[in-house]
Amino acid sequence: AQRVTQPEKLLSVFKGAPVELKCNYSYSGSPELFWYVQYSRQRLQLLLRHISRESIKGFTADLNKGETSFHLKKPFAQEEDSAMYYCALIRTRNAGNNRKLIWGLGTSLAVNP
Amino acid sequence: DGGITQSPKYLFRKEGQNVTLSCEQNLNHDAMYWYRQDPGQGLRLIYYSQIVNDFQKGDIAEGYSVSREKKESFPLTVTSAQKNPTAFYLCASNLQNTEAFFGQGTRLTVV
Repeated sequence: AQRVTQPEKLLSVFKGAPVELKCNYSYSGSPELFWYVQYSRQRLQLLLRHISRESIKGFTADLNKGETSFHLKKPFAQEEDSAMYYCALIRTRNAGNNRKLIWGLGTSLAVNP
Repeated sequence: DGGITQSPKYLFRKEGQNVTLSCEQNLNHDAMYWYRQDPGQGLRLIYYSQIVNDFQKGDIAEGYSVSREKKESFPLTVTSAQKNPTAFYLCASNLQNTEAFFGQGTRLTVV
């Protein structure tokens, strides 16, 4: 079965420190992977997707098929990065019409001054 | 101004009552979703619809019902059969192969 695992419920770092939010997935095919972010009192929104290979707000994420991981990284955390982060997967092969997102449980990132 | 709108923002329900949460989108998206968000449990899929007049149960459909009579609208009814309805409900939509857009959410409280 497809699954997305975010092992950390809460991650606390100091401002300026590097941050890595872990995401592992199980899927036999070639997935599309996403990171979504939910800031306080704001709607859940896309942060980045692996096929775009871009950096958003200083965050990057590389798909490692060997380790089935899609960890989110930022070299220097800022206080405004404090939010809830969700990793999500869409199946691509043989999915037919069933292409719903599969979500991790989320990691709450707290960046302390 | 394109987007996805949920209403109301806050909703209170007496035990034994059905309530309907509204979700409207003007993004011309085919697919729409309802999630329930509880602390420590992430996003759990209640129902989803890939096309008008068709919908499928998600992981926690019991006690909920939906309809998809129009492309723009995907209302969720929380019935009296839902044993623990107090939660934050999120509606989302997307085109196939693209990112999901979310509404602001509805916080439902049973009083």
